[in-house]
Amino acid sequence: QKEVEQNSGPLSVPEGAIASLNCTYSDRGSQSFFWYRQYSGKSPELIMFIYSNGDKEDGRFTAQLNKASQYVSLLIRDSQPSDSATYLCAVLPNTGNQFYFGTGTSLTVIP
Amino acid sequence: EPEVTQTPSHQVTQMGQEVILRCVPISNHLYFYWYRQILGQKVEFLVSFYNNEISEKSEIFDDQFSVERPDGSNFTLKIRSTKLEDSAMYFCASRFPGQGGNEQYFGPGTRLTVT
Repeated sequence: QKEVEQNSGPLSVPEGAIASLNCTYSDRGSQSFFWYRQYSGKSPELIMFIYSNGDKEDGRFTAQLNKASQYVSLLIRDSQPSDSATYLCAVLPNTGNQFYFGTGTSLTVIP
Repeated sequence: EPEVTQTPSHQVTQMGQEVILRCVPISNHLYFYWYRQILGQKVEFLVSFYNNEISEKSEIFDDQFSVERPDGSNFTLKIRSTKLEDSAMYFCASRFPGQGGNEQYFGPGTRLTVT
């Protein structure tokens, strides 16, 4: 069974702070890792993807991947109230076409 | 920027009726997916589709469900005899696989209400 675990939260941070979201996965052969943002009543929106160990930065977002620890994280710098949403971690294993999603972490940025 | 589209945005149907949810994936994408999300719950994988056949499916995707790519652009999900518990958001997604590129993009979803 390929599992993706996230802390469901809720996670609350003050505006301007760094929000740190974490995800672990069980399938060591996984190759591709994704972070989606989902606002209430909307579809998941791809905001970051990472395929190699280390950090990947895009604007205020940084994805961090550690394949040895089977751990992927998302940092949101200078958090804004508009970042308040549920963040979904998704993993694509090395074999097969199915993406495995975590249950999501609810983030609230307090003005 | 290309995007996945879905119709209708909201479908209301009576229990036992058949529904067809439609999706137009991004044009050069090769893998297509359907997901379900019951209100307040996690995104659940239903099925993946590649090269005109089902690639993988979950336990949810039983004989009541079917998928089809009737032409070069549309991708449909049919539920033959809807049940109350089929009420959910249904998302279509697509991706173009390639070296260093497996990004999957979601459509806006169809809210299915079974009464």
